[in-house]
Amino acid sequence: DTAVSQTPKYLVTQMGNDKSIKCEQNLGHDTMYWYKQDSKKFLKIMFSYNNKELIINETVPNRFSPKSPDKAHLNLHINSLELGDSAVYFCASSISGGGAQYFGPGTRLLVL
Amino acid sequence: RKEVEQDPGPFNVPEGATVAFNCTYSNSASQSFFWYRQDCRKEPKLLMSVYSSGNEDGRFTAQLNRASQYISLLIRDSKLSDSATYLCVVNPRSNDYKLSFGAGTTVTVRA
Repeated sequence: DTAVSQTPKYLVTQMGNDKSIKCEQNLGHDTMYWYKQDSKKFLKIMFSYNNKELIINETVPNRFSPKSPDKAHLNLHINSLELGDSAVYFCASSISGGGAQYFGPGTRLLVL
Repeated sequence: RKEVEQDPGPFNVPEGATVAFNCTYSNSASQSFFWYRQDCRKEPKLLMSVYSSGNEDGRFTAQLNRASQYISLLIRDSKLSDSATYLCVVNPRSNDYKLSFGAGTTVTVRA
């Protein structure tokens, strides 16, 4: 009965590869988010979708492309991975704008 | 000035002690306020929302001071399991989907 789930939990890959992270929520929320938390532990919003529509698109390299097939799923595809992409990526969801967000367990990405 | 600022700590307290810390926010129009806790290598988890009149959840009490633009969290009778980083989270614009996260306050409860 996991609320927000992400796969994979760990991802170790070489520079230049392309990888995807998947997120699913069963809370019935209509908004989903991707955050990046780097080694300094600061959480930075990357993207947000509301009912499959992109509503937040922060200054993120265009190598990162989110996709929301439906309001319960939000995926993140990363092309041409770089060393600086190493971080923990968290998916989150909320019922509406301004409301509390609920986070997935995170995907730990290490680019070698 | 950052939208949300927190004392990073660490606050090292013995079991059973009371610990309290604040978080300041820059936008006076901010509407929603939350405290999250994050354990090492885990996801942030909602601890409590913060309401205008202040609210309590067991050993945890949150207060909002709009005049001085800060929120506080007080933990009574600290347990070892309270050791974590506490994130102050603010919605700076009404119904905005983007929340502003503080960098966190680290609390360590020792036996």
